[in-house]
Amino acid sequence: QKEVEQDPGPLSVPEGAIVSLNCTYSNSAFQYFMWYRQYSRKGPELLMYTYSSGNKEDGRFTAQVDKSSKYISLFIRDSQPSDSATYLCAMMVDKLIFGTGTRLQVFP
Amino acid sequence: GAVVSQHPSRVICKSGTSVKIECRSLDFQATTMFWYRQFPKQSLMLMATSNEGSKATYEQGVEKDKFLINHASLTLSTLTVTSAHPEDSSFYICSVEGQGTETQYFGPGTRLLVL
Repeated sequence: QKEVEQDPGPLSVPEGAIVSLNCTYSNSAFQYFMWYRQYSRKGPELLMYTYSSGNKEDGRFTAQVDKSSKYISLFIRDSQPSDSATYLCAMMVDKLIFGTGTRLQVFP
Repeated sequence: GAVVSQHPSRVICKSGTSVKIECRSLDFQATTMFWYRQFPKQSLMLMATSNEGSKATYEQGVEKDKFLINHASLTLSTLTVTSAHPEDSSFYICSVEGQGTETQYFGPGTRLLVL
């Protein structure tokens, strides 16, 4: 079993939709949780960072962590074609462990 | 966040040659930098942690004699792929740790193609 599981997609949604991206993990020692966005052939860009259970909001993005279920989510409201990218969850204990990424396509 | 640059952005080389990739922290001094590798449709895998003034720490399965890391200053780390082979073709990305946080900020990546 991988330490971090993430559905690879692709996920295709119309512009304006609410997008839900999810990861599950097996290591209860993970303390820090991040979401990165990666455009094709580019380095990952940090979107959200949290270390506690609950919700954290930043503009159109909301990160949710449920440590009891070992489950994290990223919600994107009012999705735009420019949000089309691969979204990577990442978790830290002594090093950063990434999910495989979910490819999102937002069509006009 | 931190601003990180990498050079070159892409490189094509012949099998058996060595390739050097530079990673620079542009807006703060980074005592620690990280090197990752990403194969197509796969996740980022940590290769090594680069420490300024000391030897790099390599992850299990990564050959330290093949992937030479030099953290020459607080703003520059280099990764040299020695005697590159086609199986080394990949996307190499560096990162720096955010100041006072556990976050990492990534460079734009270097695409290596070994013929």
